[in-house]
Amino acid sequence: EVQLVESGGGLVQPGGSLRLSCAASGFSFSNYWMNWVRQGPGDRLMSVSFINTDGSLTAYADSVKGRFTVSRDNAKRTLYLQMNSLRAEDTAVYYCVRDADGHHDQWGQGTPVTVSS
Amino acid sequence: DVVMTQSPLSLPVTLGQPASISCRSSHSLAHSDGNTYLNWFHQRPGQSPRRLIYKVSNRDSGVPDRFSGSGSGTDFTLKISRVEAEDVGLYYCMQGTYWPRTFGQGTKVEIK
Repeated sequence: EVQLVESGGGLVQPGGSLRLSCAASGFSFSNYWMNWVRQGPGDRLMSVSFINTDGSLTAYADSVKGRFTVSRDNAKRTLYLQMNSLRAEDTAVYYCVRDADGHHDQWGQGTPVTVSS
Repeated sequence: DVVMTQSPLSLPVTLGQPASISCRSSHSLAHSDGNTYLNWFHQRPGQSPRRLIYKVSNRDSGVPDRFSGSGSGTDFTLKISRVEAEDVGLYYCMQGTYWPRTFGQGTKVEIK
């Protein structure tokens, strides 16, 4: 069974940092592109970042470029999202998402991030 | 960014009756590789989104055959042939042809 388990979310002050992790199991993690997608207030979904199988190709939404960094450790079967200079508008549930048969076939349960003073 | 526009945003339905959701994109979603990367997702309250349909019309494993997807270019439709109680929740379309991948606003399906 495919499992994606996110962790690392929480309450952080504006300007602070968080590192999200996503532990993958039940599939050959190193063979799949991976993504971070967030769902903010109002339930709107937004693609945050993706990374290819070996980490040599990444992309970011304009709103997070320069502040967020996606990475992966295939040996540990783990995806990461380093989030710096956090803003109130980054408040959302962050999902780890696998790409197969097109895009976004499997989603984790999400980890909530709240940016507030 | 490619704008995805869903309609309606709220859809009250009667159990056993059909339902249809429209999704329009601001750019053609036909990719140079021959595929059209348009997906549909369902999200129940308190749960993560679940993909139902990929590349316009392909049902994911375990998705009931009452769900079907169609369309091309910029106009796409998700149809439920006979709505069941478990179908309530939010439905989203998403394009994967361009980066950033973008989602529709969501359509809330509820039982009358």
